[in-house]
Amino acid sequence: SQQGEEDPQALSIQEGENATMNCSYKTSINNLQWYRQNSGRGLVHLILIRSNEREKHSGRLRVTLDTSKKSSSLLITASRAADTASYFCATASSGNTGKLIFGQGTTLQVKP
Amino acid sequence: GAGVSQSPSNKVTEKGKDVELRCDPISGHTALYWYRQRLGQGLEFLIYFQGNSAPDKSGLPSDRFSAERTGESVSTLTIQRTQQEDSAVYLCASSPALGAGGREQYFGPGTRLTVT
Repeated sequence: SQQGEEDPQALSIQEGENATMNCSYKTSINNLQWYRQNSGRGLVHLILIRSNEREKHSGRLRVTLDTSKKSSSLLITASRAADTASYFCATASSGNTGKLIFGQGTTLQVKP
Repeated sequence: GAGVSQSPSNKVTEKGKDVELRCDPISGHTALYWYRQRLGQGLEFLIYFQGNSAPDKSGLPSDRFSAERTGESVSTLTIQRTQQEDSAVYLCASSPALGAGGREQYFGPGTRLTVT
């Protein structure tokens, strides 16, 4: 079963705007990760945030984690057409085996 | 070095036939994972190998699915007596030995399986 619920399912914005995607989960986690997928094939790791962290940055990406609300958000600032992709959150449970449970994903379209 | 590779990239098979999918992880990565992704959906965990430990098979959907891994190298996912609902992209990922707080996974390009 899927742990993560992502919101929105689809997002369409203009180049230069910011994009925010949200993820909620159900059980205790060791860490939460965000991945990008282009054209329905291999995923690329974007960022990992541990359960004792609240915010993390990587380039134009900002991820927040609220363990009390069991939710995370991914913000992409100053979006580009090349950011068009599907974005997935994935959680690794406490007692970590490394196994990831993925959400259904958010499809982002950035219009030039 | 090279990333995770999978073969074949595409496989079309008739219902009832067996198929074997292959994954070559990144050299030195001790953990290997298989996931299934149906069209427009998220990834479903299938099975996880970590070193010489017993694999976590909790995600395998039926006894028609099995996987093997020799040491820390190649893994094969076998689907016996394929059904149309097995049609999906099968993704393999590997990661280094787990550290405190977990590690990211490196994904292969996937095998697109179509059962006719």
